[in-house]
Amino acid sequence: DIVMTQSPDSLAVSLGERATINCKSSQSVFSSSNNKNSLTWYQQKPGQPPKLLVYWASTRESGVPDRFSASGAGTDFTLTITSLQAEDVAVYYCQQYYSPPYTFGQGTKLEIK
Amino acid sequence: QVQLVQSGSEVKKPGASVKVSCKASGYTFTGYYIHWVRQAPGQGLEWMGWINPNSGVTNYAQKFQGSVTMTRDASVTSTYMEVNSLKSDDTAVYYCARDFGSGLRRFYFFDYWGQGTLVTVSS
Repeated sequence: DIVMTQSPDSLAVSLGERATINCKSSQSVFSSSNNKNSLTWYQQKPGQPPKLLVYWASTRESGVPDRFSASGAGTDFTLTITSLQAEDVAVYYCQQYYSPPYTFGQGTKLEIK
Repeated sequence: QVQLVQSGSEVKKPGASVKVSCKASGYTFTGYYIHWVRQAPGQGLEWMGWINPNSGVTNYAQKFQGSVTMTRDASVTSTYMEVNSLKSDDTAVYYCARDFGSGLRRFYFFDYWGQGTLVTVSS
């Protein structure tokens, strides 16, 4: 199984500042068949299901604010939230869909400092 | 609008079974795989498997083979996930989620989620 490891486990950032969350996979999730990295990011607020933010490692889902951006390739990926808003408080998960079982990172809890 | 509406919370004793339903609306039911993902209290997300609502073909994570059964009833646009021989560590919120891809394209990530069903296993 591909192990997804996020860092840090929790993060406190001031309103308006930048938040950066990292995700590392135990093996590459790059697919040569389509030249894409099979990596998504989700946001989960308390009591809610996860919400898709980013797929193919860097493609923002429709309706997601452009303060959310993501990058990375192979085994190392980053989600960045520029100018943190109060509504961004949540747990963020990465997920690989390169090979089954489709595994998630352990989550990063983002709070306001 | 796309909606996945799940059945309500359940409390079960160890060794029992539970069946959770997920009713889809707002899109062509047979066009998208449905996945099941669970989340133990305060824990992360765990993918359990998928079902093709068109054919009924399923694929389970190895961990859940033999203990989980996914089915569908296209006449009511619903999928079901049954867990047998429940143990205390099966206590979790169970989510259904729609695959991002449609038709012949499958991506194995999820764009719409149900609200979740809490299953509590306790003697």
